Amino acid sequence: SQQGEEDPQALSIQEGENATMNCSYKTSINNLQWYRQNSGRGLVHLILIRSNEREKHSGRLRVTLDTSKKSSSLLITASRAADTASYFCATDPQAYSGAGSYQLTFGKGTKLSVIP
Amino acid sequence: EADIYQTPRYLVIGTGKKITLECSQTMGHDKMYWYQQDPGMELHLIHYSYGVNSTEKGDLSSESTVSRIRTEHFPLTLESARPSHTSQYLCASSEGTGVHGYTFGSGTRLTVV
Repeated sequence: SQQGEEDPQALSIQEGENATMNCSYKTSINNLQWYRQNSGRGLVHLILIRSNEREKHSGRLRVTLDTSKKSSSLLITASRAADTASYFCATDPQAYSGAGSYQLTFGKGTKLSVIP
Repeated sequence: EADIYQTPRYLVIGTGKKITLECSQTMGHDKMYWYQQDPGMELHLIHYSYGVNSTEKGDLSSESTVSRIRTEHFPLTLESARPSHTSQYLCASSEGTGVHGYTFGSGTRLTVV
C-alpha cells in the first residue's frame, strides 16, 4: 500500500501566488523526497529532506518535515505557468533499510494548475 | 537531460503480441526499478533490481518479467499483451545510498488493442 498521501488532490492558483502541498505518511523514514511530473512524462527529483532536518530550500521551493506528525509540506513561491504539473512525495521507509535496500514509496500526487 | 532512456516512447500493439520495453542508464547505478502508472494516478512498483542478475517483484502483481544481464540495461517483457496491460511504464535508477533520489526515464505509454 502507498505510504504517502498528498493533500490536496488538485490545486488551481493564479500565476505569482504561492502553492502549498502537503504529504502525510505512516511509518518511520530515513528521508522524504518531492518529485514533479509533467503530463505524460517521467518524474523529476526536486528535493530531498532527511529525517533529522526540519526545513530545506532550493530556489523557489521550500520543504518542511515534521517527523512527530509524520507530515511534510512543499511550498512553491511566486508560481509560474511552467510549474503546472503533478507533484509527488516519496518516502524512504526505515523498514526497507539495510542489506543494500533502497525502495521509495510514492503518494498519489497533487495536480497543480497555475493560471497565467 | 535524461541519463536514463526508455524506448519506445509510445507503443500500440495487438492483443497476444510479445513486447519488450527497453530501459538503459549511463550513470552506472546498481539499483533500477519499473513502475506502472495509469494516467493521473499513483505509481505502482512492479519490478526492481539491485544489481546484475538480481531481480525482484514489486508490490503490484504483474504478468511482466525483467532481466538484468548488464548494469546499464533493465528491459521489461510482456509475453502476451492484453488490453489490461494498457498503461504508462516508468523506469528509474538510483545510486541507492539515500543521498540522491531516483532518476526517471520519460516513460513508455503502452496501448494494447
